[in-house]
Amino acid sequence: KNEVEQSPQNLTAQEGEFITINCSYSVGISALHWLQQHPGGGIVSLFMLSSGKKKHGRLIATINIQEKHSSLHITASHPRDSAVYICAVTADGLTFGKGTHLIIQP
Amino acid sequence: EAGVAQSPRYKIIEKRQSVAFWCNPISGHATLYWYQQILGQGPKLLIQFQNNGVVDDSQLPKDRFSAERLKGVDSTLKIQPAKLEDSAVYLCASSLVRGGIDTQYFGPGTRLTVL
Repeated sequence: KNEVEQSPQNLTAQEGEFITINCSYSVGISALHWLQQHPGGGIVSLFMLSSGKKKHGRLIATINIQEKHSSLHITASHPRDSAVYICAVTADGLTFGKGTHLIIQP
Repeated sequence: EAGVAQSPRYKIIEKRQSVAFWCNPISGHATLYWYQQILGQGPKLLIQFQNNGVVDDSQLPKDRFSAERLKGVDSTLKIQPAKLEDSAVYLCASSLVRGGIDTQYFGPGTRLTVL
């Protein structure tokens, strides 16, 4: 059974800061997803990675398959980035981390 | 392309009442999932359908929860009777296997509050 660990669990930062959220997993995977969940809202898929790095606007996601680790970066953070960010991995089914609660203060 | 639709978005009921949620997946997606996400936790898979057949319902509390996908398209999830601990967001997702990778698309969720 895959274990997915995210860190930090909670993160409060000032507007404009560079944000990093980490995800580690225990067994080999075919894909890793970064998801965003706003309060009261559903989940939006941000990235799906199987290797390397992807960039979308101010969001960057990287994955190191050998180290079983992925990071989600937010550049020039903004209060609207405040949300829960969830890492999920696809191996034998989909396993979710517990999420990182991010608050960006103006 | 239209996304996964869910209704209602919010529901408040008293314990011991019954409730039903509806999900309409993306057209052509054979696989449909129902997840339960309790506040502060990651989503937990309740049931997975492939067309109208059940693939995995090992974590579905079958004494009170039921789900169906009769025609292999829309699905309903029912809780009867509800308990306080059922308060959560219920997420529906559908997926399409492309290039060997199963990409799931999530609906907006139904937030259930049980009083």
